[in-house]
Amino acid sequence: GENVGLHLPTLSVQEGDNSIINCAYSNSASDYFIWYKQESGKGPQFIIDIRSNMDKRQGQRVTVLLNKTVKHLSLQIAATQPGDSAVYFCAERGAHFNKFYFGSGTKLNVKP
Amino acid sequence: EPEVTQTPSHQVTQMGQEVILRCVPISNHLYFYWYRQILGQKVEFLVSFYNNEISEKSEIFDDQFSVERPDGSNFTLKIRSTKLEDSAMYFCASSGAGGPDTQYFGPGTRLTVL
Repeated sequence: GENVGLHLPTLSVQEGDNSIINCAYSNSASDYFIWYKQESGKGPQFIIDIRSNMDKRQGQRVTVLLNKTVKHLSLQIAATQPGDSAVYFCAERGAHFNKFYFGSGTKLNVKP
Repeated sequence: EPEVTQTPSHQVTQMGQEVILRCVPISNHLYFYWYRQILGQKVEFLVSFYNNEISEKSEIFDDQFSVERPDGSNFTLKIRSTKLEDSAMYFCASSGAGGPDTQYFGPGTRLTVL
């Protein structure tokens, strides 16, 4: 399958600080990327997405950056809160319209 | 707020037995998916379903797996003869008329094969 991976398995941040979670992908033909949040015992929850014709997209407290040159995706969370503690996955749609590949996840720990 | 539901929440079965995992996608959605997540590992795509047929499937989705949308509301995953390595969380997801983007996931079914 596609090689979608994460640089860091665990990230610890102080409450109120900004968090940056990174993801690398291998398929330059991927046209759509998604960030998901997964809390313990729950299914993945959509956070934000970005298409390959964009470099940046902002949501509420979250920003996704896409660097197609180095095939890198990042999720920035502003003013991180304890409720943001979860595992974050990036996912990509590769060569197939309706087939998605997930990365291995980064666990975000927010310290009060 | 509409949500994807899955039953049962936990299924225990003996190796070699057939299991059916059930999902009720969001009512006006058109694209349906099954994923699995082995404990501590990443989410893996199994199959996508649109217009009453499979649109994509992964290498994991072999002849032991099948999916069905028997009526207007349910979406099922059947494993004909379970193996120990089928033990995992199985997530159903659906997305709407806008396309396969923005998938909504159910809470999952934990399958334990003994």
